[in-house]
This record gives sequence, C-alpha cells and structure tokens, in this order.
Amino acid sequence: DGGITQSPKYLFRKEGQNVTLSCEQNLNHDAMYWYRQDPGQGLRLIYYSQIVNDFQKGDIAEGYSVSREKKESFPLTVTSAQKNPTAFYLCASSTWQVDEQYFGPGTRLTVT
Amino acid sequence: AQSVSQHNHHVILSEAASLELGCNYSYGGTVNLFWYVQYPGQHLQLLLKYFSGDPLVKGIKGFEAEFIKSKFSFNLRKPSVQWSDTAEYFCAVNPIANAGGTSYGKLTFGQGTILTVHP
Repeated sequence: DGGITQSPKYLFRKEGQNVTLSCEQNLNHDAMYWYRQDPGQGLRLIYYSQIVNDFQKGDIAEGYSVSREKKESFPLTVTSAQKNPTAFYLCASSTWQVDEQYFGPGTRLTVT
Repeated sequence: AQSVSQHNHHVILSEAASLELGCNYSYGGTVNLFWYVQYPGQHLQLLLKYFSGDPLVKGIKGFEAEFIKSKFSFNLRKPSVQWSDTAEYFCAVNPIANAGGTSYGKLTFGQGTILTVHP
C-alpha cells in the first residue's frame, strides 16, 4: 500500500524543546516537502528536497531544520528558535518534475 | 516571488447551488496549476490539474476549472454542490522554468477557501 506516513498524529512539547516530526514515503518519489498549515494562511513551504543529501529553504525556514539521508525519509526538526511552532505540519512528495504532490495525514504540534 | 490569491475565505451554499471559487496568481511565465481539496479529517488530495492544452479541465467528483491566461486565473466550478463537498479548497501554482517543462520544484498555495454546504 503506497503512500506517505507521518508520525505521530498529535505531538505535545514544552517551550524550549526541539522536536522532530517523521515523514516516510514508499512512492519512490525523488522530491519531498514540508509545509505548515495555519487557519486562513493556506500551506506555507518550510523546506524541500529534490534529491538525497540536498535540500533548499522554503518561504518560512527560520527555526526549522531538515535532513535527507535516505530517499524515503525527510524528517523535520522544529527547534526552540521557532517563535510560533504550534501548527499543523504536512509532508508531501512528488516526482522530480512536480507532476502533483501527494500528501501525508499531517502532524498537529502543540507547544506550551 | 509568485503569489496565489483565493478570493473568498468562507463560502456557504445550499445543496444544488452552483459553485465558483476564484484563484488568481502572479507569475508572468508558464505555470502548472492545481486545485487540492481537504475534506474534514482526511488527507489533502488532488481535485484537478492543468499543464497545457484545453484550458477547461475536468477533475474528480464533477469539478472543473478554467485557465484564463490573460487574467492569470484558474477558477474552480461545480454546477450543483452536495453536502459531501463541504471541505477546504486550495489553489496552487508551479512555475515552469523553461520550454522543456522543467519546474522550479515547488508549489505556491493560496490561502484556502472553506466551503460549507447545507443540506
């Protein structure tokens, strides 16, 4: 059963702690993406990667970091430097030509 | 940088009413265009896409969209909505870098439009 998995579905952290969100895909897609979804603001791109061991900043990369050591995995770390980390985080993947993006179920992060 | 604007934040309709959701983008070159839908509690999924050819594209569940290049628009339409169409709808744009169709590698999404359909 092909697709994108994100874990966990809900995540709670205390302010000042780093937290890593998992994203795995078995679609054999080259490109992977992380978005943040806030009410009324749509999806905003955090980071994306078109190939293993390479990634680029999106529109709102400050306070986030990523790695792409394997084609199927693209974890996102929300660091303590991110001023407003509470949000719904979506991972996506696509072929290199961005035919269409396939999305995971998302992780809702709450930081208090 | 390109931007995508969706005209309405929240649209409320009764069943059988016609729907049109506006989407405008700012990018002077060639683009690929998408509409995604997020039903309550479900993954974001593709409704339809436009790459080239006939500017009127048909998607799943009776949705269609028309690309008007001169207006930089890609509006979504459905002649008769159902209660099950209640969802959030997102327009997205992918700029194309060259004539060979190589993309810049990322989508820019609009703010989203929440559609509520009353039975």
